Amino acid sequence: QITLKESGPTLVKPTQTLTLTCTFSGFSLSTSGVGVGWIRQPPGKALEWLALIYWNDDKRYSPSLKSRLTITKDTSKNQVVLTMTNMDPVDTATYYCAHRRNPTGGFDYWGQGTLVTVSS
Amino acid sequence: DIQMTQSPSTLSASVGDRVTITCRASQSISSWLAWYQQKPGKAPKLLIYKASSLESGVPSRFSGSGSGTEFTLTISSLQPDDFATYYCQQYNSYFTFGPGTKVDIK
Repeated sequence: QITLKESGPTLVKPTQTLTLTCTFSGFSLSTSGVGVGWIRQPPGKALEWLALIYWNDDKRYSPSLKSRLTITKDTSKNQVVLTMTNMDPVDTATYYCAHRRNPTGGFDYWGQGTLVTVSS
Repeated sequence: DIQMTQSPSTLSASVGDRVTITCRASQSISSWLAWYQQKPGKAPKLLIYKASSLESGVPSRFSGSGSGTEFTLTISSLQPDDFATYYCQQYNSYFTFGPGTKVDIK
């Protein structure tokens, strides 16, 4: 049974760096084809993909946010970490991590999401 | 960047109705398209991948079709559990979600 759970601060100040951790179980991020991504959703708005890391440590970033994002994995801890620098109130959103079983499909398992508010 | 649009933005329907949602890509994405269902306060749920492949465990009343730039999600007979927001997502080049289609009760 695949599960994912996001953790991190619920409130960050403008200009600060956000660090979110996705802790997962039920799969290994060393299995060929597997990826874990981050997606966010501002309140009442649509989903926005942020970043994805593959089993082979290949990384992909949203072109519009690339300069602010870093995604890493710790296979031994079953964790994926996303950092986003220079946070702004417009970054207030629910942040999800999600599993992708292979490059031909979508995100098939999602965490419950964590709401991050950016405010001074 | 590939942009995604969906129509309609809101759809009012009744239980038993056949519902169709359209998704368009700004350039060809072959069949690299997924559909998700999201209910308020919940994470999205994958329904369809590769444009027309039904995800395991998803009821067969959901179907997807299309290729290139135009895609559809069809619910053959709307059930009470289907009132939700639906998103398309391309994964031909990075990932882009559509703006969503809310299906509500008529």
